[in-house]
Amino acid sequence: DGGITQSPKYLFRKEGQNVTLSCEQNLNHDAMYWYRQDPGQGLRLIYYSQIVNDFQKGDIAEGYSVSREKKESFPLTVTSAQKNPTAFYLCASTDGPSTGTDTQYFGPGTRLTVL
Amino acid sequence: GIQVEQSPPDLILQEGANSTLRCNFSDSVNNLQWFHQNPWGQLINLFYIPSGTKQNGRLSATTVATERYSLLYISSSQTTDSGVYFCAVVKTGGYNKLIFGAGTRLAVHP
Repeated sequence: DGGITQSPKYLFRKEGQNVTLSCEQNLNHDAMYWYRQDPGQGLRLIYYSQIVNDFQKGDIAEGYSVSREKKESFPLTVTSAQKNPTAFYLCASTDGPSTGTDTQYFGPGTRLTVL
Repeated sequence: GIQVEQSPPDLILQEGANSTLRCNFSDSVNNLQWFHQNPWGQLINLFYIPSGTKQNGRLSATTVATERYSLLYISSSQTTDSGVYFCAVVKTGGYNKLIFGAGTRLAVHP
């Protein structure tokens, strides 16, 4: 089946550790996105990538890093510099790169908890 | 930046009732999507509707872009409709950067 997969589903991290969240899509989509959701709130954009080997900061990029070495993969690293990393992280993708008129499809998410 | 406001923030319904959810946005958009987030966190696409009216079963949506609002109608609600409904927009010229509202939390009781 075509879709977006994220792993792990749940992740626990000790303070001071970096962790990497996986996002893979087999939809052959050009653009991919990472969002963060805090309890009772909407989603906020962390990073996005319109094409392989290129990515741009979103609204809350501080403390996060990404890479886009392959079209189907867009991993997110939550670094120790992120002050409050406990949240629900969602990955998304769109077919078109930048017109703004494409439907975004979301993965099932990763719940990160810092102990 | 563009502001997205959803109302009401919370809604409780008896099974079988109808409801209307509203999304107001502060600037012109070329993309508006409605999502349903289920209890497990999965975001499910309901509508891509930057303008006009669409229907899908018991759900329908209308966007009046010139007046900067969108409405989501749920008819004959079922307990499986429970969850959070989000409206998200892309400002005209804003690439694919979706800006989300805070959501409407819907609880449908049997």
